[in-house]
Amino acid sequence: KQEVTQIPAALSVPEGENLVLNCSFTDSAIYNLQWFRQDPGKGLTSLLLIQSSQREQTSGRLNASLDKSSGRSTLYIAASQPGDSATYLCAVYGQNFVFGPGTRLSVLP
Amino acid sequence: DAGITQSPRHKVTETGTPVTLRCHQTENHRYMYWYRQDPGHGLRLIHYSYGVKDTDKGEVSDGYSVSRSKTEDFLLTLESATSSQTSVYFCAISDLGANEKLFFGSGTQLSVL
Repeated sequence: KQEVTQIPAALSVPEGENLVLNCSFTDSAIYNLQWFRQDPGKGLTSLLLIQSSQREQTSGRLNASLDKSSGRSTLYIAASQPGDSATYLCAVYGQNFVFGPGTRLSVLP
Repeated sequence: DAGITQSPRHKVTETGTPVTLRCHQTENHRYMYWYRQDPGHGLRLIHYSYGVKDTDKGEVSDGYSVSRSKTEDFLLTLESATSSQTSVYFCAISDLGANEKLFFGSGTQLSVL
């Protein structure tokens, strides 16, 4: 059974810092990995999707990498802003989508 | 934003009553999903559909049933609601094989008293 974990569970940083969120999964037989953002009381918004054949994807200040063989992905956020404060979840797609528990990010002004 | 509408947005009901949640999409995506999100458990798949009248169970399907009579609508029914089914329910859609991103609705907060 696929299991997805995320470290850290919560993170608080001052505005302007670069930061890394981590996602690990136990079964490397995946088709893709997605990173999502969830604001309080809202649904999830897909940020980046990395196919299993890719190593990384970039969108603006966000960069996600995937190392399928080691079962790891990282989400790099450059020059963090208070508006980046949210919970970030990763999900792997194999037989179905399996989600990690999320990292709650607070960016302080 | 992907065209996904969940209704109702909030519902309070009593134990033992039937409850139906609706998900409506305007994207013509083939796959539709129902998840529940609970503190300490994260997002868990209840049921999903891969086409009209084609559905399958997820990891927490007990006590839930689904129906999909049209591409755009996916209904989740709690046959006899229990307090353990108090949760936030999310509908999601994807077009696997074409665009594999998963798009979520805004959620339904269900309280079973």
